Amino acid sequence: KQEVTQIPAALSVPEGENLVLNCSFTDSAIYNLQWFRQDPGKGLTSLLLIQSSQREQTSGRLNASLDKSSGRSTLYIAASQPGDSATYLCAPPDNYGQNFVFGPGTRLSVLP
Amino acid sequence: DTGVSQDPRHKITKRGQNVTFRCDPISEHNRLYWYRQTLGQGPEFLTYFQNEAQLEKSRLLSDRFSAERPKGSFSTLEIQRTEQGDSAMYLCASSLGAGASGEQFFGPGTRLTVL
Repeated sequence: KQEVTQIPAALSVPEGENLVLNCSFTDSAIYNLQWFRQDPGKGLTSLLLIQSSQREQTSGRLNASLDKSSGRSTLYIAASQPGDSATYLCAPPDNYGQNFVFGPGTRLSVLP
Repeated sequence: DTGVSQDPRHKITKRGQNVTFRCDPISEHNRLYWYRQTLGQGPEFLTYFQNEAQLEKSRLLSDRFSAERPKGSFSTLEIQRTEQGDSAMYLCASSLGAGASGEQFFGPGTRLTVL
């Protein structure tokens, strides 16, 4: 059964810092992994979908990497802004590759 | 707006009542997922459809829950005889492709409060 952990659970940083959010998963036989952002009381917004054939995927100030062999993905946020404050969730597929399993998220607060 | 929509956005009901939620996916997406999310947790998978076929149901989906996707378009999730433990955010997502290969897009969710 795919299990997902995210470290840290919460993070508070001053504006401008570069950040690394970590995601670990137990079943490394995956073909992709998706990162999401969730604002309080809202649905999830897709940030990046990284395929197993890719090592990295970039969108603006966001960069996601995927290392299947170690069961890890990282989300790098450059030059953080107060508008980046949200919960960040990673989701690899389940063991059968049919649906997604979510981590508990990292709650990020960027202080002005 | 061509994103995923959900209705209603909020629902307050009394214990024992039935409730029904609707999800309209992105029109060309063949896959539709339902998740449940409680405070401070990530979404938990409930069920998914490939076109009109319901292909998997989580053990979280007790016999009080039923989902449909007639004609492979919109989907409904019904909860019968609601319990206080059903209070949560119910999220719908859609994607295009086979398996969990496509990028998932989520709706805004329906927040259910059972009194």
